[in-house]
Amino acid sequence: NAGVMQNPRHLVRRRGQEARLRCSPMKGHSHVYWYRQLPEEGLKFMVYLQKENIIDESGMPKERFSAEFPKEGPSILRIQQVVRGDSAAYFCASSPGTGATFNYGYTFGSGTRLTVV
Amino acid sequence: AQKVTQAQTEISVVEKEDVTLDCVYETRDTTYYLFWYKQPPSGELVFLIRRNSFDEQNEISGRYSWNFQKSTSSFNFTITASQVVDSAVYFCALSASGGYQKVTFGTGTKLQVIP
Repeated sequence: NAGVMQNPRHLVRRRGQEARLRCSPMKGHSHVYWYRQLPEEGLKFMVYLQKENIIDESGMPKERFSAEFPKEGPSILRIQQVVRGDSAAYFCASSPGTGATFNYGYTFGSGTRLTVV
Repeated sequence: AQKVTQAQTEISVVEKEDVTLDCVYETRDTTYYLFWYKQPPSGELVFLIRRNSFDEQNEISGRYSWNFQKSTSSFNFTITASQVVDSAVYFCALSASGGYQKVTFGTGTKLQVIP
């Protein structure tokens, strides 16, 4: 059973370009969470999605950032017109549900390291 | 609001020494989960432990042990007989037990084990 898969592992973008980060949850998981880790900092929650729904985007910057989790395919975190401050590691995690169904560790993908030059 | 404080930014120990990483948390939730994660130099996040707030039993797993003190809102992590492979950044984290698992992380403690 494959874990949470993120790609690409490393992504380099020039200022002003778009970055697309992909996250494939564990098999059977319908909940996806995105976190951002700025250099030398801990992880910060960005957004929580269920299939075709954004449940909580309270941690997402209001501009340039968007996320989706379509019925088919991976979850996508999209950053438009990237700036140097967007350089960070972006981690995705998944779970089968919430509350009582969550009975094991919170498993993260290996992350995507975005570098904006 | 939830908050996790890891006051130790960096720790260096000599191999085979014991080391304790401190974690203090704040939450208004009556039930919650506490976690520890390891982030080695390769960058991935490795889950170490999840503890439910109503279970105050300390846990031991090999060289790792965790001390949960609800009275002081602390969830400390001890590595016994440290090894070079333990060198990493360790994160303590907290989430509510109900609803979805929005996790609040501490800023991490960088542990360097010197051979």
